[in-house]
Amino acid sequence: SAVISQKPSRDICQRGTSLTIQCQVDSQVTMMFWYRQQPGQSLTLIATANQGSEATYESGFVIDKFPISRPNLTFSTLTVSNMSPEDSSIYLCSVEDPGGAGGTGELFFGEGSRLTVL
Amino acid sequence: LAKTTQPISMDSYEGQEVNITCSHNNIATNDYITWYQQFPSQGPRFIIQGYKTKVTNEVASLFIPADRKSSTLSLPRVSLSDTAVYYCLVGVSGGFKTIFGAGTRLFVKA
Repeated sequence: SAVISQKPSRDICQRGTSLTIQCQVDSQVTMMFWYRQQPGQSLTLIATANQGSEATYESGFVIDKFPISRPNLTFSTLTVSNMSPEDSSIYLCSVEDPGGAGGTGELFFGEGSRLTVL
Repeated sequence: LAKTTQPISMDSYEGQEVNITCSHNNIATNDYITWYQQFPSQGPRFIIQGYKTKVTNEVASLFIPADRKSSTLSLPRVSLSDTAVYYCLVGVSGGFKTIFGAGTRLFVKA
């Protein structure tokens, strides 16, 4: 299993500013995932972050808007840059435990960071 | 990636058994079927996973027919606290990115 801590848990931000979300895992993991969940919607994968390499972004997400750092095997950050009200969402960090049910990995999620952009 | 289709929402009453079916017609040979539960203001939580036939744990059962083109999550005797969104996912491990579908919003009433 994995325990994930995210900071901040919530924040209210002004349009045009940037905010960095931190994700700390209690064990070393190869891959970390960042998701966005807009109000009432499902989760959308933003990017996959490997330690020591650039993150891989999904369609519709770009590095300039969502820069990601992955300095070591237990930590990652996601920055939401030049925010607009459309960026108001919950941002979730996730890791995969390959030692889960035996066959495929089990995902563990942080509690999420709820951002409101005014 | 195997696409999944689930009902958007379901209603139930306390004490009833709830069955949520997920369709995944183009599931691949190596794919596993995994269900997650998400409460408001929390990240999704693993419920159960299976490859074929039936899997049961302390929380739920998962029924998978021989052709594996669908699966049914069964929640026995639901309570109000089972009100949540349930996601069916199909895929493999090894760093393979996990894509969430729309999920099923379950409302359990008293």
